[in-house]
Amino acid sequence: AQSVTQLDSQVPVFEEAPVELRCNYSSSVSVYLFWYVQYPNQGLQLLLKYLSGSTLVKGINGFEAEFNKSQTSFHLRKPSVHISDTAEYFCAVSDLDNTDKLIFGTGTRLQVFP
Amino acid sequence: GAVVSQHPSWVICKSGTSVKIECRSLDFQATTMFWYRQFPKQSLMLMATSNEGSKATYEQGVEKDKFLINHASLTLSTLTVTSAHPEDSSFYICSARQGEQYFGPGTRLTVT
Repeated sequence: AQSVTQLDSQVPVFEEAPVELRCNYSSSVSVYLFWYVQYPNQGLQLLLKYLSGSTLVKGINGFEAEFNKSQTSFHLRKPSVHISDTAEYFCAVSDLDNTDKLIFGTGTRLQVFP
Repeated sequence: GAVVSQHPSWVICKSGTSVKIECRSLDFQATTMFWYRQFPKQSLMLMATSNEGSKATYEQGVEKDKFLINHASLTLSTLTVTSAHPEDSSFYICSARQGEQYFGPGTRLTVT
């Protein structure tokens, strides 16, 4: 069975500072990896995904994530955050044979302060 | 972009009654939709996969007679929580697939 761990439930950061949101996963098979963002009163929006190839994945809004197979991690980073990045961020995995079934982490609340 | 809506966004019902939640894909057709449940401070859990014109596929541990899913058209899936109890209070989120999954904004159900 797969699982996803987001160790930080909340991450406070000042505007224009860099941020890293951590995600670790557990799986006995190869997986696809995803980061979603949820703004208040809105649905989850796909930020980026890793399917194969380069381990550094670039997404929307200046976010990027690096897949590290040996550490089973897929941390999300942004070099300079904006107030508008304040939201809930979810890491998710799916296995290669059943991409419909997404296993989500518990989410990290990113709070950007002016 | 692909937009998914849910209605209502918030509903309160009395214990023992049933409540229906709608999930619509507004600008695309979706043969497959998904229903998730999210408890406070916990992750989204897939409840069931809804396929247009056929029976839904429920995840292990989800009572199909309690959570009735109907996917009557390519743009609408409904989740009916039957004989609701306070423990059914939760945040219910749907998604519709067009390549990737596009998520609705969620429905908060409170059962009193």
